[in-house]
Amino acid sequence: NAGVTQTPKFQVLKTGQSMTLQCAQDMNHNSMYWYRQDPGMGLRLIYYSASEGTTDKGEVPNGYNVSRLNKREFSLRLESAAPSQTSVYFCASSENSWGTEAFFGQGTRLTVV
Amino acid sequence: AQTVTQSQPEMSVQEAETVTLSCTYDTSESDYYLFWYKQPPSRQMILVIRQEAYKQQNATENRFSVNFQKAAKSFSLKISDSQLGDAAMYFCAYRSTQSGNKLVFGAGTILRVKS
Repeated sequence: NAGVTQTPKFQVLKTGQSMTLQCAQDMNHNSMYWYRQDPGMGLRLIYYSASEGTTDKGEVPNGYNVSRLNKREFSLRLESAAPSQTSVYFCASSENSWGTEAFFGQGTRLTVV
Repeated sequence: AQTVTQSQPEMSVQEAETVTLSCTYDTSESDYYLFWYKQPPSRQMILVIRQEAYKQQNATENRFSVNFQKAAKSFSLKISDSQLGDAAMYFCAYRSTQSGNKLVFGAGTILRVKS
């Protein structure tokens, strides 16, 4: 079972460059999420999508855009990377039944220099 | 907006002893779910336990149990008979039932287990 797959696992960007983090899940989940994890700040929600075709801002959406391409895929785009966006990024998915657990990808370590 | 607060950045426990990790949350909703996740050094996120807000009985999963105080908006995790494998970062999380399945996490608590 692949579960939630994120690519790439590591990336170094120069300030001002753009890139897209890819996420795909094979569990037929409706909800998908993007988080960033920084020391001392836990997992902060960037964007989420409750179903195909819908997206909503989380706690820290500035500097990011997302696309829910279809039910399987939810991508995160950095249009002009900044050093403050250096972080570990996690994608997650879950059923829309509220008590179900979220399944996470392995994370992407992004460094912006 | 819903927020989750974990006031203990780091905790230590002796192997075989009991430790309690604290979590408080802020919400105006009456029905929601609460979770504890474990993140070992591998960065994998593992569900430890979950609690539905309208259930008064505290959830239990083997050595893990919660103390859910709805009025106080408190959701602590108790780990009994701690083992070396319990060493990890622990996150408390809140899932909204009214805000499009929004899932919000706290800042985390690093748990160290001493042998």
